Amino acid sequence: EVQLVESGGDLVQPGGSLRLSCAGSGFTFSSHPMNWVRQAPGKGLEWVSYISSSSTTIYYADSVRGRFTISRDNAKNSLYLQMNSLRAEDTAVYYCARDGLPRGSPVYHWGHGTLVTVSS
Amino acid sequence: DIQMTQSPSTLSASVGDRVTITCRASQSISSWLAWYQQKPGKAPKLLIYKASTLESGVPSRFSGSGFGTEFTLTISSLQPDDFATYYCQQYHTYCTFGQGTKVEIK
Repeated sequence: EVQLVESGGDLVQPGGSLRLSCAGSGFTFSSHPMNWVRQAPGKGLEWVSYISSSSTTIYYADSVRGRFTISRDNAKNSLYLQMNSLRAEDTAVYYCARDGLPRGSPVYHWGHGTLVTVSS
Repeated sequence: DIQMTQSPSTLSASVGDRVTITCRASQSISSWLAWYQQKPGKAPKLLIYKASTLESGVPSRFSGSGFGTEFTLTISSLQPDDFATYYCQQYHTYCTFGQGTKVEIK
């Protein structure tokens, strides 16, 4: 069974940093592109970032480019999101999402999400 | 950037009703469109991809159609488990979601 388990969400002050992690299991992690998607409280889904299976291709949404960094460690079956210069508008549940390749595949599997709250 | 516009934002319906949700893209995305269902406090669930392909295990009352810029999700006979929020997503260029359609009990 495919499992994606996010961790690292927390309450952080504006301007602060946070690193999210996602542990994948039940599939060959190194064969799949991965994404981060977020959802602000009571709002819709917003794509954040994409990383290809070998980390050679990375994309970011305009709203986070220059502040967030996506990475992965295929040996550890793990995906990461380093978030710097956090703003109140970054408050959201962050989902780890498997697949979601542009002109290739939708997101087939989602984690349960981890909550990031940016507030003083 | 490709913008996705869903309508309506909220839909009130009864069990057994036929329900249609529309999604429009700001430019052509061919068939690179997916539909997801989300229930409160839960992660989204994939229903349809490539505009009209039903994901394995999804009931056949769900169907999708469209190409280019106009797409629809249809539920042929609404069931109690179907009251949820539905999102379209383009995956032609990066990824963009529609704003969602909440299907409520009438």
